[in-house]
Amino acid sequence: AQRVTQPEKLLSVFKGAPVELKCNYSYSGSPELFWYVQYSRQRLQLLLRHISRESIKGFTADLNKGETSFHLKKPFAQEEDSAMYYCAPPADNYGQNFVFGPGTRLSVLP
Amino acid sequence: DTAVSQTPKYLVTQMGNDKSIKCEQNLGHDTMYWYKQDSKKFLKIMFSYNNKELIINETVPNRFSPKSPDKAHLNLHINSLELGDSAVYFCASSQRGANEKLFFGSGTQLSVL
Repeated sequence: AQRVTQPEKLLSVFKGAPVELKCNYSYSGSPELFWYVQYSRQRLQLLLRHISRESIKGFTADLNKGETSFHLKKPFAQEEDSAMYYCAPPADNYGQNFVFGPGTRLSVLP
Repeated sequence: DTAVSQTPKYLVTQMGNDKSIKCEQNLGHDTMYWYKQDSKKFLKIMFSYNNKELIINETVPNRFSPKSPDKAHLNLHINSLELGDSAVYFCASSQRGANEKLFFGSGTQLSVL
């Protein structure tokens, strides 16, 4: 089964500091991975996906097959980045396996 | 227009009651999901429906039953509510096919007293 893990439940950084939210996956093949974000009192929304290779709100994530990781990074954290971040594998052709990682709460301190 | 809408936004009820949460999507997606987010913000899938067929049922008590009258709706019925059912429930949808992203509803905060 496709699984992702997020080892950090809480990550606190100061404004302007670099931030890295860790995500590791445990399946073979060519994974497609997602990062979802949930700001306070808002619905979950897609932040970025591996296949699009785009940077959203200054965040990037590189797939490292050697380390089986898909860490989310931003060089300079902003207070508005404070949120819950979830890493997720893709659904398969039948809509299965959208099983999220446990999530990491990012707190950006002023 | 909201892509995935769920109602009610808040639901406060007594133990033992039966309640329903409705979800509708206007994206034309063929797969819909229910997720439960607990107080620690862990997000766990409960069900997914694809073309009216239950695909996933992750050790959810049978007090929870999804009902899909059509492809655009997936309602969640909960019987004999318990204190531990208090959580935020999110509906979501996606289109069948590999690597498709999820669209979420705004969530229903369920409080069982």
